[in-house]
Amino acid sequence: DAMVIQNPRYQVTQFGKPVTLSCSQTLNHNVMYWYQQKSSQAPKLLFHYYDKDFNNEADTPDNFQSRRPNTSFCFLDIRSPGLGDAAMYLCATSREQSNQPQHFGDGTRLSIL
Amino acid sequence: GQNIDQPTEMTATEGAIVQINCTYQTSGFNGLFWYQQHAGEAPTFLSYNVLDGLEEKGRFSSFLSRSKGYSYLLLKELQMKDSASYLCAVGETGGFKTIFGAGTRLFVKA
Repeated sequence: DAMVIQNPRYQVTQFGKPVTLSCSQTLNHNVMYWYQQKSSQAPKLLFHYYDKDFNNEADTPDNFQSRRPNTSFCFLDIRSPGLGDAAMYLCATSREQSNQPQHFGDGTRLSIL
Repeated sequence: GQNIDQPTEMTATEGAIVQINCTYQTSGFNGLFWYQQHAGEAPTFLSYNVLDGLEEKGRFSSFLSRSKGYSYLLLKELQMKDSASYLCAVGETGGFKTIFGAGTRLFVKA
């Protein structure tokens, strides 16, 4: 089945220790998104890619970076995680337009010690 | 500004009907989505409305009024497995982004 896969499902890191979350898709969608979601809150868009074109949200902290080496893979790098970065991180894909539904991975729950 | 409002929580009884409302104010509109999200899981797509009116899909229906900036999700014959958060989301014009509401947590009781 075509799908969006995130690894790992659970990630624990230490305060200030860099961490990378990964996402892959077999849907061949042009657009990939990274969201941060905290308990009982809306998913907050961090960035999105249209092919290799990178779009950063204005309020995404500099601490968060992303890479998309090819159509199938996208990475979220958190350079120096703080306690406030503990959250669920969701990767999603869609076809080109915003009138297309997004397909989400199962998410990575990040804990900071 | 961009704003999507929906009730925080609702409770309903198994077998009943529940309506979850959503109002939105966005700078552009390219359709309204409803997603279901079980606790600790990713959102899954339920419905999409871009024209006014009711779209029915099995036990779930979604309604849109663009002039009122209003939508609702109607769930019939509620089952325990329908206990989840329901996210209302609006597609922005001129790009690829979707604005999400915080979700309505629905509790279905026996």
